[in-house]
Amino acid sequence: RKEVEQDPGPFNVPEGATVAFNCTYSNSASQSFFWYRQDCRKEPKLLMSVYSSGNEDGRFTAQLNRASQYISLLIRDSKLSDSATYLCVVNWTGRRALTFGSGTRLQVQP
Amino acid sequence: DGGITQSPKYLFRKEGQNVTLSCEQNLNHDAMYWYRQDPGQGLRLIYYSQIVNDFQKGDIAEGYSVSREKKESFPLTVTSAQKNPTAFYLCASSAGSPTEAFFGQGTRLTVV
Repeated sequence: RKEVEQDPGPFNVPEGATVAFNCTYSNSASQSFFWYRQDCRKEPKLLMSVYSSGNEDGRFTAQLNRASQYISLLIRDSKLSDSATYLCVVNWTGRRALTFGSGTRLQVQP
Repeated sequence: DGGITQSPKYLFRKEGQNVTLSCEQNLNHDAMYWYRQDPGQGLRLIYYSQIVNDFQKGDIAEGYSVSREKKESFPLTVTSAQKNPTAFYLCASSAGSPTEAFFGQGTRLTVV
């Protein structure tokens, strides 16, 4: 079983739609959670951290469910510019480096 | 501007040759990392360093070597022992262990 699992997609949605991605992690000692965005052939860039109480940044909402060991990312009012791969990222106690999921590809269509 | 610089952006090498990828940061970060990404896959950790003159193997260290002689620099050598070196190599740094990491623009290595 992969340590961080994501549905690879692609998720094809029209502009203005709301779309949600989930990510599950296997290590219950996980302590830090992030969503990164990666454009084609570019480096990943931090989109947002994920906090236990859930957090929002504009059109983006991230939530964490420790009991079920999953993280979610909700994007409202999708824009063409949101088209990218979204990487779920986890760190757990004792591992001093981030562990990345394989990513979920989003394609927003006009 | 503060950031992480990887060079070169594209690199071509013949099979059997060692090659060194450069990574420099001026963010004053203690921790630095090397990841490898293959098409359609996530990032896999090669090596990481939490402090100068110290580094640890990641999940796929075989065929790679690193050094950390300066805080700003963390070069990666891809040796001839690496069976399938063609990939996108990403260097990152972070202030802690680990907080969010910031990436360089990557080096795309092709071995022919």
